[in-house]
Amino acid sequence: DTGVSQDPRHKITKRGQNVTFRCDPISEHNRLYWYRQTLGQGPEFLTYFQNEAQLEKSRLLSDRFSAERPKGSFSTLEIQRTEQGDSAMYLCASNPQATSGNTIYFGEGSWLTVV
Amino acid sequence: AQRVTQPEKLLSVFKGAPVELKCNYSYSGSPELFWYVQYSRQRLQLLLRHISRESIKGFTADLNKGETSFHLKKPFAQEEDSAMYYCALFGGYNKLIFGAGTRLAVHP
Repeated sequence: DTGVSQDPRHKITKRGQNVTFRCDPISEHNRLYWYRQTLGQGPEFLTYFQNEAQLEKSRLLSDRFSAERPKGSFSTLEIQRTEQGDSAMYLCASNPQATSGNTIYFGEGSWLTVV
Repeated sequence: AQRVTQPEKLLSVFKGAPVELKCNYSYSGSPELFWYVQYSRQRLQLLLRHISRESIKGFTADLNKGETSFHLKKPFAQEEDSAMYYCALFGGYNKLIFGAGTRLAVHP
């Protein structure tokens, strides 16, 4: 499968712990997005990268959240001092920009449960 | 503000019945609209986008700028159409904004 891949798929953590999610976009996709989805809601935008540059961050992304894409390929999303309200599905997506317009392709997501 | 509204959380129909999933948007410029679908235990995937004016799996959607709507339609629903459907807007800030989604349940 050459689609967007995310790891881990599921994570259960205790409140106050740090967690990190990894996303590998489709090869040569230069835009990479992180979204968050909670039950009964559509995906909410968190942040996006154009190559290695983080170009926009949502107000939803508090100081406890940080995302990186150091070499313009894979990305990580870290949540520090997790809270129960962080429990959600974290979705990564990518877009080749030049060839497919603004269609973005999603990974299967990483489920986070904070207990 | 850019916003996508899907007024129905659940749409329940019988097989063979027509389907219309409603989507309204708020955006002052020229929007690019999408429908994404999520089948059980699968990732979100693109169903169709208004620019390409395609018909995918029998679904069509027409952008109505006057009514700021992008409703998804299918004349005869199939059981395999049961899924979550999300309308999304690409409004020029390099990101997709999604509605809350509508669950379509097609009964035999």
